[in-house]
Amino acid sequence: EAQVTQNPRYLITVTGKKLTVTCSQNMNHEYMSWYRQDPGLGLRQIYYSMNVEVTDKGDVPEGYKVSRKEKRNFPLILESPSPNQTSLYFCASSDRDPEVDTQYFGPGTRLTVL
Amino acid sequence: GQQLNQSPQSMFIQEGEDVSMNCTSSSIFNTWLWYKQDPGEGPVLLIALYKAGELTSNGRLTAQFGITRKDSFLNISASIPSDVGIYFCAGPREAGGTSYGKLTFGQGTILTVHP
Repeated sequence: EAQVTQNPRYLITVTGKKLTVTCSQNMNHEYMSWYRQDPGLGLRQIYYSMNVEVTDKGDVPEGYKVSRKEKRNFPLILESPSPNQTSLYFCASSDRDPEVDTQYFGPGTRLTVL
Repeated sequence: GQQLNQSPQSMFIQEGEDVSMNCTSSSIFNTWLWYKQDPGEGPVLLIALYKAGELTSNGRLTAQFGITRKDSFLNISASIPSDVGIYFCAGPREAGGTSYGKLTFGQGTILTVHP
């Protein structure tokens, strides 16, 4: 089944404790992206990647890192999480640019930073 | 970057009613995308629009690319309980150009349908 998977689905952590949220897709898509969703703000793009070893900042990259060493994986790293990073995070992928190709979203990761 | 404003922020309707929502931008768009997010799920693409004035349907859903290229509309006819969710518009983050991966989303319209 074609899908985007994220792990973990739920995470509660404390301020300053490094964490990684994994994202994997099995559709051989070139494009992958991370978003955060907060009430009243919609989805905001954090980072995106047009291909392996190519990443770029979205609207809200501060406090996050990403890497794209393999086509299928696009982990999101929070080196020192803070409470304002409490949010619902979505990973997504598309064949190429999501403006012209359907973007598929993962099920989401709900992160709480205490 | 672009800002998208969706209206209304929320809607409470009876099953069978028609629904209209819109999305406006301060700048010209070349593309409009409409997504739906079911409760507890990730968003799913409903309709993509690429030409000013374009009217596209997907079942009971109809979306239009505004003539001014600064707005788009989504209509749902004869709503049913499974239409419940959040509807997002999205478009390229750079005014007048293609996104090259950069997408911006509206704040969303929350739809509740009473049986």
